[in-house]
Amino acid sequence: DAKTTQPPSMDCAEGRAANLPCNHSTISGNEYVYWYRQIHSQGPQYIIHGLKNNETNEMASLIITEDRKSSTLILPHATLRDTAVYYCIVMMNTGFQKLVFGTGTRLLVSP
Amino acid sequence: DAGVTQSPTHLIKTRGQQVTLRCSPKSGHDTVSWYQQALGQGPQFIFQYYEEEERQRGNFPDRFSGHQFPNYSSELNVNALLLGDSALYLCASSLASSGQIQYTFGSGTRLTVV
Repeated sequence: DAKTTQPPSMDCAEGRAANLPCNHSTISGNEYVYWYRQIHSQGPQYIIHGLKNNETNEMASLIITEDRKSSTLILPHATLRDTAVYYCIVMMNTGFQKLVFGTGTRLLVSP
Repeated sequence: DAGVTQSPTHLIKTRGQQVTLRCSPKSGHDTVSWYQQALGQGPQFIFQYYEEEERQRGNFPDRFSGHQFPNYSSELNVNALLLGDSALYLCASSLASSGQIQYTFGSGTRLTVV
């Protein structure tokens, strides 16, 4: 079973920030928080990951709470192409790991 | 830089038949994982291959088997197909020694069992 809880769906206006929450209250100290997204009819795409510090890359920012029990993925200026299912996954970062997908959050970006 | 390539993109099979799906990993990657995604659900892990050996396996019956070749490409075989095997089959590759796991997925093979 997935170790994360996400809202099933969210809406966002184009050009606005999309903030996608994720709860992972049972995360262990050596587990990272990963975010992937899946655009319709494509394979999942890696977005970002982090351990305890906030992270930013060209796609998004990841904010992890101090107790690490929850996190938020931020798409700063959402576009129509960001419409997708977003998956939050906790996983160790070494060795042979598998991605355990939950149901994710379906983000709809509208004009 | 080629990403993960899967073939075929679509496939229709009859119950009881056998099917083989193929995956070429991203250049530089040496580990291949397979996932099954039923309609409306998240992908489910089938198994993972590294150095031509199955490293871990999800909760799938023995009808699902795989292979990895010396060039790191991989095959997924499903025997005695059931209607419930209809799904999108995704291949993901990664580099075992990278120190930070990032999976690259292919676009998948859509299998329909009739």
